Amino acid sequence: GENVEQHPSTLSVQEGDSAVIKCTYSDSASNYFPWYKQELGKGPQLIIDIRSNVGEKKDQRIAVTLNKTAKHFSLHITETQPEDSAVYFCAASIGLNSGYALNFGKGTSLLVTP
Amino acid sequence: GAVVSQHPSRVICKSGTSVKIECRSLDFQATTMFWYRQFPKQSLMLMATSNEGSKATYEQGVEKDKFLINHASLTLSTLTVTSAHPEDSSFYICSASTSGRSDTQYFGPGTRLTVL
Repeated sequence: GENVEQHPSTLSVQEGDSAVIKCTYSDSASNYFPWYKQELGKGPQLIIDIRSNVGEKKDQRIAVTLNKTAKHFSLHITETQPEDSAVYFCAASIGLNSGYALNFGKGTSLLVTP
Repeated sequence: GAVVSQHPSRVICKSGTSVKIECRSLDFQATTMFWYRQFPKQSLMLMATSNEGSKATYEQGVEKDKFLINHASLTLSTLTVTSAHPEDSSFYICSASTSGRSDTQYFGPGTRLTVL
């Protein structure tokens, strides 16, 4: 089955700096890659997603890049703010053949210090 | 848009009792709902997938007789933990997707279950 690896497990940056989180996946049939932000005691919140027919997507301070050949995708957060502190999860899906199930990475705990 | 609610947000029960958790899509019709559990500082583990009007599909290792899932309408799915034991204590989270964007899952706020 699909295996999603996520690095780093923890990341500490200063306010205003950029943060990058990387994920790799094993199943070349994966075609959908969402990123979720989870604050303590809350459910995950979809922050950005990308499909396999594009290489990059941006939404204000957040961007995701996808390299299908290398089977990895990354989350980029620019001009980080303390409220960006949370756990971030990447996921991958092969779509209909798996019932649209998401395979999650183990998460990255991001801390943005003022 | 795409709001998913869960009720209750937290529940404490005695060992041996059953607990029902509701998951509702508030502003869209959810053709598919997913149930996850999450232990502290760990990732989300998919328990089962349910489509409206069909039996749920359980992941390997998840006991279907212990975790009863009902997806009776396009806006409501329920998870019942039967004969709960302390090891069932966890954070249970549901998600929902629509037929228009079947691969996009919107998550509820989660339910913290504590079994004494």
